[in-house]
Amino acid sequence: DGGITQSPKYLFRKEGQNVTLSCEQNLNHDAMYWYRQDPGQGLRLIYYSQIVNDFQKGDIAEGYSVSREKKESFPLTVTSAQKNPTAFYLCASSTTQGTNEKLFFGSGTQLSVL
Amino acid sequence: GDSVTQMEGPVTLSEEAFLTINCTYTATGYPSLFWYVQYPGEGLQLLLKATKADDKGSNKGFEATYRKETTSFHLEKGSVQVSDSAVYFCALNVNQAGTALIFGKGTTLSVSS
Repeated sequence: DGGITQSPKYLFRKEGQNVTLSCEQNLNHDAMYWYRQDPGQGLRLIYYSQIVNDFQKGDIAEGYSVSREKKESFPLTVTSAQKNPTAFYLCASSTTQGTNEKLFFGSGTQLSVL
Repeated sequence: GDSVTQMEGPVTLSEEAFLTINCTYTATGYPSLFWYVQYPGEGLQLLLKATKADDKGSNKGFEATYRKETTSFHLEKGSVQVSDSAVYFCALNVNQAGTALIFGKGTTLSVSS
């Protein structure tokens, strides 16, 4: 079945540690996105990528980094510079950027700080 | 800038009650509008969408009409079920290169039997 797979489902980070969240899609979508979800704040865009080897900052990119070396993969690294990383992280993809195409979402990763 | 405003939740209803979740937007140009639903512990799923003024999106008994004159896209359902309990997000896409979906803060719906 086609879809988006995020792993792990739960992740714990120690102080000063970098952690990487995985996102893989087999939908052959060009565009991929990372959103952060906090209670009562909806979804906020961290980074997005329209094409391989290219990505742009979203509204809250500080303390995060991404790469897009392959079309199907868009991993997100939460660095030690992100002082409040506890949140639910959602990865999404779509066929093209800037159109009325819908987003397909993964099932999310809950990141917590030890 | 572009934004979406949803009514504050939680919304608590009895089964078979009528549902309205208000959504208004601010955007340049002619955005596409969406409603997404999120069940506990899961990602978001598209519920319905509308791409131009006066379009009505519908799915699973839910409806929303794109009202350009009032910049609104309110979600309605005539008779809710317990299984409709979820968080509902209104979103817009300004249909310009280099942009992504902009989401409202979400409205939690709880339906009791």
